[in-house]
Amino acid sequence: QVQLQESGPGLVKPSETLSLACTVSGVAISSSYWTWIRQPPGKGLEWIGYIYYDGSTKYNPSLKSRVTMSIDTSKNQFSLRLSSVTAADTAVYYCARVYSSAWYSDYWGQGTLVTVSS
Amino acid sequence: DIQLTQSPSSVSASVGDRVTITCRASQDINSWLGWYQQKPGRAPKFLIYASSSLQGGVPSRFSGSGSGTDFTLTISSLQPEDFATYYCQQANTFPLTFGGGTKVEI
Repeated sequence: QVQLQESGPGLVKPSETLSLACTVSGVAISSSYWTWIRQPPGKGLEWIGYIYYDGSTKYNPSLKSRVTMSIDTSKNQFSLRLSSVTAADTAVYYCARVYSSAWYSDYWGQGTLVTVSS
Repeated sequence: DIQLTQSPSSVSASVGDRVTITCRASQDINSWLGWYQQKPGRAPKFLIYASSSLQGGVPSRFSGSGSGTDFTLTISSLQPEDFATYYCQQANTFPLTFGGGTKVEI
């Protein structure tokens, strides 16, 4: 069974870099595309970007200048870095697997709340 | 970016009711639309892809339809576990975008 688990600091200071990892179990990370999605408290969902096992990426243009995704196939893990954070980046961050046939997300991690505050 | 507008933003219903949620896209997305269910404090659950295809394990009381710009999610007979917020998502064009959500409440 496919499982994903986010990990990383729950509190980040303004102007610093948010770093999260997603550990995948039950399937090889080389088998799919992987994605990050976030949800500010009480609000809707925002797609951040995707990464493939070969390192290719695509980011949301609204965040592109600040986002970096990476992948470590040896650890079956992929990561998100978001630089120069502000309070507007406070959100629950989800990692997810991209559905095999199209750009939906079929398996999700439980999500991790990241608060940006001094 | 493609904007997805869901209506209503919330709906009050009872167990056994038929509930319909609409998602309208700002441009033609063919049938590249999915639906998710989210309960408080939980990750979204993938329900429907390609407008009308049920993901494995999703009860048959859920159905989707539409193409182009207008889509619907219907729950034929609402069950207690269906009270949640529902989101549509377009998979036609990057950046991928979601609707604002529809809360189904008692």
